[in-house]
Amino acid sequence: QSALTQPASVSGSPGQSITISCTGTSSDLGAYNYVSWYQYHPGKAPKLMIYDVSNRPSGVSNRFSGSKSGNTASLTISGLQAEDEADYYCSLYRSSSTPYVFGTGTKVTVL
Amino acid sequence: EVQLVQSGAEVKKPGESLKISCKGSGYRFTSYWIGWVRQMPGKGLEWMGVIYPGDSESRYSPSLQGQVTISADKSVSTAYLQWSSLKASDTAMYYCARFLTGSSYAFDIWGQGTMVTVSS
Repeated sequence: QSALTQPASVSGSPGQSITISCTGTSSDLGAYNYVSWYQYHPGKAPKLMIYDVSNRPSGVSNRFSGSKSGNTASLTISGLQAEDEADYYCSLYRSSSTPYVFGTGTKVTVL
Repeated sequence: EVQLVQSGAEVKKPGESLKISCKGSGYRFTSYWIGWVRQMPGKGLEWMGVIYPGDSESRYSPSLQGQVTISADKSVSTAYLQWSSLKASDTAMYYCARFLTGSSYAFDIWGQGTMVTVSS
C-alpha cells in the first residue's frame, strides 16, 4: 500500500506553533476529505486528534487544528507543550482496494 | 465507557499458530467496523484490515491477504486476528480500533495493543 508522505521530524520550542504536512496524490488526498490525524506514543494506544480534515473529537485540545489544500493535508499544533512530544500520523480513507492508508509518520520534538 | 481491551503479549516460534483478541464494551459492538493496525519494529502504522461484526464482512490490505485472518464473535463482542503459521516478520505491536463510517471515517477508539514476538 502506498503511504502518504510526511516529514520524518518536526521540532519547536514550548509555546511555538508547528505544522506537519501530509502529501499524497490527486487520486487520493486530492480526491477525498476523510483525512485523520493520530498522536502516537510508541507502545501506547494511538489517539485520534483530527478527523474529516479539520474536526476535533470531544476532549482534544483546540491547540490542534487540521486543514487540506490540494494534495496536501496539514496538522498544526499551536502553543506547543512538552506533552505534545510524540509521533503523529496522518491517514486517509478512500474508495480503493486498500481503503485505508497511513502516512509515514512524523516525530515531534519539543525543544 | 467505550473501550476495546486486547489480549496479552505473546511469544511464539516460527511456524506456530496464534489468535489474538479484541473485546469491545460500552457500545453496540455489531454496529461498528473493527480494524487491525500493526506497527513493526522501527516502522510506521500499517492498516491490516477490518471486519463488520454484524455480519462478519471483512476487507484486507492486499499485501496481507492470505497471511492473516480477521474474524469476530458478536456473541462475546470480540474480534480476532489470527495466523496459521507465524514468521519472524510477524513480530510487531498489533492494535485493534473501532472504525467510524457513514459521514465520517476514522479510528476513534483504540485497544491498548498486543505485542507479538516471533523468534526461534
